[in-house]
Amino acid sequence: DVKVTQSSRYLVKRTGEKVFLECVQDMDHENMFWYRQDPGLGLRLIYFSYDVKMKEKGDIPEGYSVSREKKERFSLILESASTNQTSMYLCASSLLPRSYEQFFGPGTRLTVL
Amino acid sequence: GESVGLHLPTLSVQEGDNSIINCAYSNSASDYFIWYKQESGKGPQFIIDIRSNMDKRQGQRVTVLLNKTVKHLSLQIAATQPGDSAVYFCAADTGNQFYFGTGTSLTVIP
Repeated sequence: DVKVTQSSRYLVKRTGEKVFLECVQDMDHENMFWYRQDPGLGLRLIYFSYDVKMKEKGDIPEGYSVSREKKERFSLILESASTNQTSMYLCASSLLPRSYEQFFGPGTRLTVL
Repeated sequence: GESVGLHLPTLSVQEGDNSIINCAYSNSASDYFIWYKQESGKGPQFIIDIRSNMDKRQGQRVTVLLNKTVKHLSLQIAATQPGDSAVYFCAADTGNQFYFGTGTSLTVIP
């Protein structure tokens, strides 16, 4: 079974802090994704990566950056956290770039005070 | 782009009954669709998928129906069980990326 793990289930940070959210997958998937999930909105894509050191902006990249130094690890960085970044963050991976099943981690619920 | 929406934010069904969850999409170029189940406190979990060259696909206790004419798909769960209580949402792939619906919260009444 594919396993996607995220470093924290719950995180509380203060406005202006730099925040790192880590995601690791163990199935040698090429593709990794970061989404945020907010009530009343569908999952929204922040960034994705099709290969090591490669990144592409999704629909809502503003205020975020990513890092993919190793194939299995994809990090989401909030350079200066703001209260409107309070959300559930979901990481996913997939074997093929698109038109394929994505496997999700359990999510990190981030609260920015 | 794509707009994906579910028809009902909540749905309650009696245990043992069949459940039908609906989803509408806007982009006729969408050619691949997935249904996900998300239990409380967990990440979404794949249930079943369907490609646009099909209009029906069956899995274990689940059936997905796709009507490309009206851009609508549905998820049918047979003999709904308490463990089926979760949020269900669909995703549509336009060929560039997935777009996700907001979800229908299914509650199974024992």
